[in-house]
Amino acid sequence: GENVEQHPSTLSVQEGDSAVIKCTYSDSASNYFPWYKQELGKRPQLIIDIRSNVGEKKDQRIAVTLNKTAKHFSLHITETQPEDSAVYFCAASDGRGGDMRFGAGTRLTVKP
Amino acid sequence: EPEVTQTPSHQVTQMGQEVILRCVPISNHLYFYWYRQILGQKVEFLVSFYNNEISEKSEIFDDQFSVERPDGSNFTLKIRSTKLEDSAMYFCASSAQGTDTQYFGPGTRLTVL
Repeated sequence: GENVEQHPSTLSVQEGDSAVIKCTYSDSASNYFPWYKQELGKRPQLIIDIRSNVGEKKDQRIAVTLNKTAKHFSLHITETQPEDSAVYFCAASDGRGGDMRFGAGTRLTVKP
Repeated sequence: EPEVTQTPSHQVTQMGQEVILRCVPISNHLYFYWYRQILGQKVEFLVSFYNNEISEKSEIFDDQFSVERPDGSNFTLKIRSTKLEDSAMYFCASSAQGTDTQYFGPGTRLTVL
């Protein structure tokens, strides 16, 4: 089955700096890669996703890049703000309504 | 904006008891999922459900677990005989036909004593 590795486990940045979180996956059949933000005690919230026919996607301060050959994808947050502080999870699935496997999460702290 | 809802928000039960966790997916969604998250750990896939049957299940989803869509709106997860290690947050999610995007409910915190 799919195995998703995520790094780093914790990340601390100064407000205004950029943050990058990286994930790798194992199953070449995976073609859908979402990123979720989870605040303490809350549900995972989808912040951006990318499909395998696209190499990069951007939404304001958030971007995701995908390298299908190397089986890795990354989340980039620019101009970080304290409210970006949360746990971020990457995930991968084959997009057929089947299982979605999550990475272990990255706890991002943005210091004011 | 429509959201997935779950009840109860917190369930406390004794080891060996049966629990049923309830979810109301977004109304026009056809794919339903259960995940669990042990405190401080990652979200783990349990099961996906489509067209009134299980599509996929993980190694976690053993014979103690079952899912059901008893009517047109609810989607339930039953744990037959709870164990201490079943204590976790259980999230329901749903997605629409033709899209991969899954929307999560607020979760049910299950505590097994």
